[in-house]
Amino acid sequence: DQQVKQNSPSLSVQEGRISILNCDYTNSMFDYFLWYKKYPAEGPTFLISISSIKDKNEDGRFTVFLNKSAKHLSLHIVPSQPGDSAVYFCAASAKEYGNKLVFGAGTILRVKS
Amino acid sequence: NAGVMQNPRHLVRRRGQEARLRCSPMKGHSHVYWYRQLPEEGLKFMVYLQKENIIDESGMPKERFSAEFPKEGPSILRIQQVVRGDSAAYFCASSPRYGGGYEQYFGPGTRLTVT
Repeated sequence: DQQVKQNSPSLSVQEGRISILNCDYTNSMFDYFLWYKKYPAEGPTFLISISSIKDKNEDGRFTVFLNKSAKHLSLHIVPSQPGDSAVYFCAASAKEYGNKLVFGAGTILRVKS
Repeated sequence: NAGVMQNPRHLVRRRGQEARLRCSPMKGHSHVYWYRQLPEEGLKFMVYLQKENIIDESGMPKERFSAEFPKEGPSILRIQQVVRGDSAAYFCASSPRYGGGYEQYFGPGTRLTVT
């Protein structure tokens, strides 16, 4: 039962352009959403999060958009840099579930210079 | 402020042996979560602990796996009688507070290989 889905296994973007990573969820109890970035042989690094009471959160080059009615969120990276090349995981949590994170399968982002 | 520490980083065990994975949370964090990542998959929740208490172990396999977070010292994930299917990356995360809306910070992981 995949409650969090990242349907694009990989994405390739030119340096300087926008990267858009997508994530869908099925459980309407989720009230907090997070994006993590992961390099090989390292742990996930927290990037940005958004509460279900908001529809947008911005931090530097990273913006997360949440569409609750569509149960969809996206991460925008502008401008993309070669150092952004990594696996990006979408995760969701709910107060009722004690903050445990439910992860998507990840999207591999490659930024070409 | 040191991040989440995990050791060992790599662990090789033969089938039937025991594996012990250690996690020290970030300073000031009293909530520890363990996740497992199988090859080509996302991270899956295993167990959530606070000091001396297991809060949620709904993601733990029913047999051979156990976890603790004693009053003193690191959290330990213990796998008895390991099998090849236990080969995975095990990540520990810590959080300062309970409840939704708080980020979890991850350690570098322990890569377990069962031969």
